[in-house]
Amino acid sequence: GENVEQHPSTLSVQEGDSAVIKCTYSDSASNYFPWYKQELGKGPQLIIDIRSNVGEKKDQRIAVTLNKTAKHFSLHITETQPEDSAVYFCAAGAAGNKLTFGGGTRVLVKP
Amino acid sequence: DTAVSQTPKYLVTQMGNDKSIKCEQNLGHDTMYWYKQDSKKFLKIMFSYNNKELIINETVPNRFSPKSPDKAHLNLHINSLELGDSAVYFCASSQGDGGQPQHFGDGTRLSIL
Repeated sequence: GENVEQHPSTLSVQEGDSAVIKCTYSDSASNYFPWYKQELGKGPQLIIDIRSNVGEKKDQRIAVTLNKTAKHFSLHITETQPEDSAVYFCAAGAAGNKLTFGGGTRVLVKP
Repeated sequence: DTAVSQTPKYLVTQMGNDKSIKCEQNLGHDTMYWYKQDSKKFLKIMFSYNNKELIINETVPNRFSPKSPDKAHLNLHINSLELGDSAVYFCASSQGDGGQPQHFGDGTRLSIL
């Protein structure tokens, strides 16, 4: 089955700096890669996703890149703000399969 | 309007008891899920239903029994609760399966005394 590794497990950045979270996956059949943000006491919320026919996608301060050959994908947050502090999860999936989540990254943005 | 709602939000009970968690989605999705999130925040899928039919059952003890009366509802019943069942349980839904975005509820925190 699919295995998704996520690094780092914790990330502390100064407000205004960039944050990068990296994931690797094992199943070459995976073609859907969402990212979720989980705030305290809430469920994971989808913030951006990418499919394997695209190498990069951007939405304001958030961008995701995908290297299908290397089976890597990354989340980039620019100009971080205190409200970006949360746990972030990557995931990999495909039609006919379940979605497999990474272990999560706790991001702390220090004012 | 809440898209995926689950009740109760908190559940504190004693070992050996039986309890249920309810989930409803108003997104018109055909697939619903139960996930367990442990103290280290790891999200593990437990069950998946598509149009009321069980399609994923991830080696979960048979003390856990999901029930889907219709495609908008997926409930989770747990018999003979054990200390290790303490966790946050999330319900989610999607239109289609692992290749589609999932929408999560806000979780039910289950604490076993």
